Amino acid sequence: AAGVIQSPRHLIKEKRETATLKCYPIPRHDTVYWYQQGPGQDPQFLISFYEKMQSDKGSIPDRFSAQQFSDYHSELNMSSLELGDSALYFCASSFRTSGTTDTQYFGPGTRLTVL
Amino acid sequence: AQKITQTQPGMFVQEKEAVTLDCTYDTSDPSYGLFWYKQPSSGEMIFLIYQGSYDQQNATEGRYSLNFQKARKSANLVISASQLGDSAMYFCAMSAYTGFQKLVFGTGTRLLVSP
Repeated sequence: AAGVIQSPRHLIKEKRETATLKCYPIPRHDTVYWYQQGPGQDPQFLISFYEKMQSDKGSIPDRFSAQQFSDYHSELNMSSLELGDSALYFCASSFRTSGTTDTQYFGPGTRLTVL
Repeated sequence: AQKITQTQPGMFVQEKEAVTLDCTYDTSDPSYGLFWYKQPSSGEMIFLIYQGSYDQQNATEGRYSLNFQKARKSANLVISASQLGDSAMYFCAMSAYTGFQKLVFGTGTRLLVSP
């Protein structure tokens, strides 16, 4: 079965640089979520999109932005990178079903290291 | 607001034995879902099992079962016949049925299976 695809898998950037993370959801999934997992921590919700519209926003810095495109893939753009942005960034996708909770399937993650 | 508590930072179990990972939750949402995810050292986040708040029976998926006690607000994961490959970090998470369904995670339990 097709899974969530994330690229790149690893990314090394310098402070103050920009980074773009890409996510390709499972086919026919209409919702994408982005999470940030710092070293030794649990994943924290950043932002989500449903049918290409932003649906919810968590603790996402103003330096970060994201969007979902017409083919449902999503990109997380990160500017003015700081050392504290070093983390594992997950994209997850789901198919919205009314009256129940959707199961989110996670991609392999992008490990971002800021030097 | 939703909160997940995992009080066991680490657990040890011998191969072929059963192990229970604890999870308690708190929420004001009347309807919600509870999830368990496995994160091996390689970093990916693997969905294991789901329990809806209105489900009458405990969820089971192969060697995984969820001991759901709604009155106690607990959703413990039981792994039967542990295998060496079960060594990983395990996260309990929850989301609401309605509106935005971001996942809220606990701090995780690291399980080590010994031969």
